[in-house]
Amino acid sequence: DGGITQSPKYLFRKEGQNVTLSCEQNLNHDAMYWYRQDPGQGLRLIYYSQIVNDFQKGDIAEGYSVSREKKESFPLTVTSAQKNPTAFYLCASSPYSGSVSSEQFFGPGTRLTVL
Amino acid sequence: KNQVEQSPQSLIILEGKNCTLQCNYTVSPFSNLRWYKQDTGRGPVSLTIMTFSENTKSNGRYTATLDADTKQSSLHITASQLSDSASYICVVSAGSARQLTFGSGTQLTVLP
Repeated sequence: DGGITQSPKYLFRKEGQNVTLSCEQNLNHDAMYWYRQDPGQGLRLIYYSQIVNDFQKGDIAEGYSVSREKKESFPLTVTSAQKNPTAFYLCASSPYSGSVSSEQFFGPGTRLTVL
Repeated sequence: KNQVEQSPQSLIILEGKNCTLQCNYTVSPFSNLRWYKQDTGRGPVSLTIMTFSENTKSNGRYTATLDADTKQSSLHITASQLSDSASYICVVSAGSARQLTFGSGTQLTVLP
């Protein structure tokens, strides 16, 4: 999975609880991304970060929060405000988000289930 | 609105047979198109990338084609193997790595 690790692989959460998904990369990539994948749908961008201490909302940021305190780490918090959090979450990184040919490398994903 | 449509939604073939997956897009401006392979419960892995000027690109038994005029791409898999069973996702870039539009994928099952 290209030097990107996500943990845990499976996560169960009770309604009303916040939960944080981990994403670490050792590829020295500048940009990192969080996507959500639901059955029968394409990946949707939640948040992305081009440099340390900076991040931008994606298409479906409501109910999520992120931080980018270190270049190699981009944790995602799913808050209780997210109405339908059960999904497969994918983290990705790329050398530089400004390059049109910059490939995104994906982690193995975290499957979150709300009980 | 940028869109990527893939067909068929699912496909079952016998080991050793060939198959072709389709991708139609309405993304503007067009920058490049990638095909990813995603095994169940794993992250996607890039197979090929095609830019506007490229018509065909191969990666082993995978051959991608691009017709920028009709905004169509195809992924042809030759002599399929059981390990080819996966979801194949078409991704079109509109200008930067941030501006990606993902198709919903074609689920390929290869049977012995």
